[in-house]
Amino acid sequence: DGGITQSPKYLFRKEGQNVTLSCEQNLNHDAMYWYRQDPGQGLRLIYYSQIVNDFQKGDIAEGYSVSREKKESFPLTVTSAQKNPTAFYLCASSRRAAHGGTEAFFGQGTRLTVV
Amino acid sequence: AQRVTQPEKLLSVFKGAPVELKCNYSYSGSPELFWYVQYSRQRLQLLLRHISRESIKGFTADLNKGETSFHLKKPFAQEEDSAMYYCALSGMYSGGGADGLTFGKGTHLIIQP
Repeated sequence: DGGITQSPKYLFRKEGQNVTLSCEQNLNHDAMYWYRQDPGQGLRLIYYSQIVNDFQKGDIAEGYSVSREKKESFPLTVTSAQKNPTAFYLCASSRRAAHGGTEAFFGQGTRLTVV
Repeated sequence: AQRVTQPEKLLSVFKGAPVELKCNYSYSGSPELFWYVQYSRQRLQLLLRHISRESIKGFTADLNKGETSFHLKKPFAQEEDSAMYYCALSGMYSGGGADGLTFGKGTHLIIQP
């Protein structure tokens, strides 16, 4: 087990604070993704990155920010602008050029709770 | 824009019965379709991809471009098939860059003994 690691597993944040979720992979994958998973909503794409120093907004990017300074790392910051941040966050990675049936590998997830 | 629709939130069948989890998609280009599965307390993982035309754990899925569907089927359900199943689509920009994976809302499959 391993390959893509998210930390921490559980995170508590006070309202109005920014918080950063970590995602690291040692699979030498170019592409990395952040999803938010809510009950009954499935997985919704927040941000994704196909290559170092480049990333694109997904469907629900508002209130989030990312960086991709290194190939193996894709941290997600949940800012105070995110109106409903309590959720389960999943990070994934895959080889670039997703066409060709490329498999995405997922982390264990981080459960963020705003208190 | 790309979209994946899984109409059933919950599907309950008896052991030994056939299973079909529905998935429809919307995408203007040439998509790639996947099924991912999440067993209890495990990571989300790939079950199968349309490009491979494979059968995994007895499951198959055929891409029907005319109906824009990618339904997941298994002729005889087993109790260990109980899990959350997600259909996913990978699109392609016209310029050749890959798009993000888009997931459906998932179907919770329960196999009753």
